[in-house]
Amino acid sequence: DSGVTQTPKHLITATGQRVTLRCSPRSGDLSVYWYQQSLDQGLQFLIQYYNGEERAKGNILERFSAQQFPDLHSELNLSSLELGDSALYFCASSVAGANEKLFFGSGTQLSVL
Amino acid sequence: EDQVTQSPEALRLQEGESSSLNCSYTVSGLRGLFWYRQDPGKGPEFLFTLYSAGEEKEKERLKATLTKKESFLHITAPKPEDSATYLCAVRVVIQGAQKLVFGQGTRLTINP
Repeated sequence: DSGVTQTPKHLITATGQRVTLRCSPRSGDLSVYWYQQSLDQGLQFLIQYYNGEERAKGNILERFSAQQFPDLHSELNLSSLELGDSALYFCASSVAGANEKLFFGSGTQLSVL
Repeated sequence: EDQVTQSPEALRLQEGESSSLNCSYTVSGLRGLFWYRQDPGKGPEFLFTLYSAGEEKEKERLKATLTKKESFLHITAPKPEDSATYLCAVRVVIQGAQKLVFGQGTRLTINP
């Protein structure tokens, strides 16, 4: 168990809908990272937060947004969903936010039908 | 563009048959190379970090090495429980921020 908690584990929704994925980092970790994993693209970095502030942005679509709250948990919001957004979404956390040793959650499997 | 290429894509070995996985990279300014292990349905699990050419790290049956252009993950006398996808990632600076760029992974299967 990595100590990173992601909910829900599975999410099935329809095109055009909006969903929210939730992540609680390991106790003591200040930084949260969001990744998308699909069969053809591999593990793609989306966005990173450190102590509530956005620190780095990757290949995140404009339809997607995230935030980190004062209690350090994070949410990833995906809107106007398309079939191609179906993927496994991982949250990871680290202590210092320098992409050092990351601890990954078990992921949220999103299926857009 | 920073790129990470892993080979082979998939590898089947018999229990006890040693081999190596390759991770080659073309980046402008390497700030660390990472190996992760991923089991089906789970998130990646950290294995090693390497920072400079010539560096080696070991953990049980795994040894990671680094040169200026590539890294190898050597697996000695593997067991079925070593079956997993092994991911390599490089830490680089893109647009002023440090990021990890992952390879596509090598899916390793160890047959008993």
